[in-house]
Amino acid sequence: EVQLVESGGGLVQPGGSLRLSCAASGFTFSSYNMHWVRQVSGKGLEWVSSIGTADDTYYADSVKGRFTISREIAKNSLYLQMNSLRAGDAAVYYCAREGTADVTFDYWGQGTLVTVSS
Amino acid sequence: QSALTQPASVSGSPGQSITIPCTGTSSDVGGYNYVSWYKHHPGKAPKLMIYEVSNRPSGVSNRFSASKSGNTASLTISGLQAEDEADYYCSSYTSSNTPLCLFGTGTTVTVL
Repeated sequence: EVQLVESGGGLVQPGGSLRLSCAASGFTFSSYNMHWVRQVSGKGLEWVSSIGTADDTYYADSVKGRFTISREIAKNSLYLQMNSLRAGDAAVYYCAREGTADVTFDYWGQGTLVTVSS
Repeated sequence: QSALTQPASVSGSPGQSITIPCTGTSSDVGGYNYVSWYKHHPGKAPKLMIYEVSNRPSGVSNRFSASKSGNTASLTISGLQAEDEADYYCSSYTSSNTPLCLFGTGTTVTVL
């Protein structure tokens, strides 16, 4: 059974840093593109970042230069290092697996909440 | 690029059919057949309902169907049931590397 479990969310001050993790199981982690998607409270889903099977990375303009996506195959884990956090980054962050179709997310985690406040 | 446009809410009575439109541009919805639809209860994992415009993943009810015409994709839920109440989002591949994909603004489906 495919499972994605996020962790690492919490309360951080503006300008601070946080590292999100996503533990993957039930599939060959190295064979899939992986993504982070977020949802600000009361708003819609927003694509944040992705990493391909060749470790190619992509970012939304709103986080470029501040967030870094990475993966550790040996630990079947996806990460999102978030620096210089802003109030607008406060959201539930989901990790998602890209299925066989481009940017089609066939499995998602339950999400981890990031709160940015002083 | 802006989010794809969806109505904020759609409602229907049990047994009825409803349709949710998702409007984009030729750089996303209109240009590619990588349109997906997701069902989401806030705080829970979104669920893929439709991929590549009109394909249903295994396990998704055939009451869910979808199509695309020009820059607008549509999701239809037939035989509406109480369990269909949720937020629904479309998404599409885009011609840009940033963002890699666009989501719709989301539609709350209410079963009356």
